[in-house]
Amino acid sequence: SQQGEEDPQALSIQEGENATMNCSYKTSINNLQWYRQNSGRGLVHLILIRSNEREKHSGRLRVTLDTSKKSSSLLITASRAADTASYFCATDLTGGFKTIFGAGTRLFVKA
Amino acid sequence: SQTIHQWPATLVQPVGSPLSLECTVEGTSNPNLYWYRQAAGRGLQLLFYSVGIGQISSEVPQNLSASRPQDRQFILSSKKLLLSDSGFYLCAWSVRGTGRDGELFFGEGSRLTVL
Repeated sequence: SQQGEEDPQALSIQEGENATMNCSYKTSINNLQWYRQNSGRGLVHLILIRSNEREKHSGRLRVTLDTSKKSSSLLITASRAADTASYFCATDLTGGFKTIFGAGTRLFVKA
Repeated sequence: SQTIHQWPATLVQPVGSPLSLECTVEGTSNPNLYWYRQAAGRGLQLLFYSVGIGQISSEVPQNLSASRPQDRQFILSSKKLLLSDSGFYLCAWSVRGTGRDGELFFGEGSRLTVL
């Protein structure tokens, strides 16, 4: 079964607006990661947040983690048409070597 | 720098035919290796992972198998393909020994269509 579930499934915004994607998970984790996938390509790692961290920034990306609610959010500020892609959250489960992915959010940024 | 190669990029196979997808990693030693499958417009399903030569863990019962004959080589196989095996297959690696805190590096994927 899926460990992570993203919300919304799809998001369409205008260039310059902020995009927020959410992820919920079910079991204890070591860390949570966000990946990006352009259509028909492999995934690219964006950012990793550890279970003892609450917020992390990388360029226009801001990730939050709330372990009490088992949820995370990815904020992309000042979006660009080139940000159009699918975004996935992934969790490394406590005590294991497996990284489990959610179903993803498809982001479309209109120029 | 590390690179990951995956081939073939595209494959069209008849039902019942065999399958072999290959993945190799360069520039690192003792990586954790993974095979994922992605159905159209969906998330990634973990199929197999390996923490060392000859060590394969299977996540989903299926007619697929994986092998790791060398440290940086990971092969996905099937003796007889089913229609349901169609999908986008992704190989990935992470730094060994940090499986609890490891970024995944993905190949470009292999798109399999079973007819």
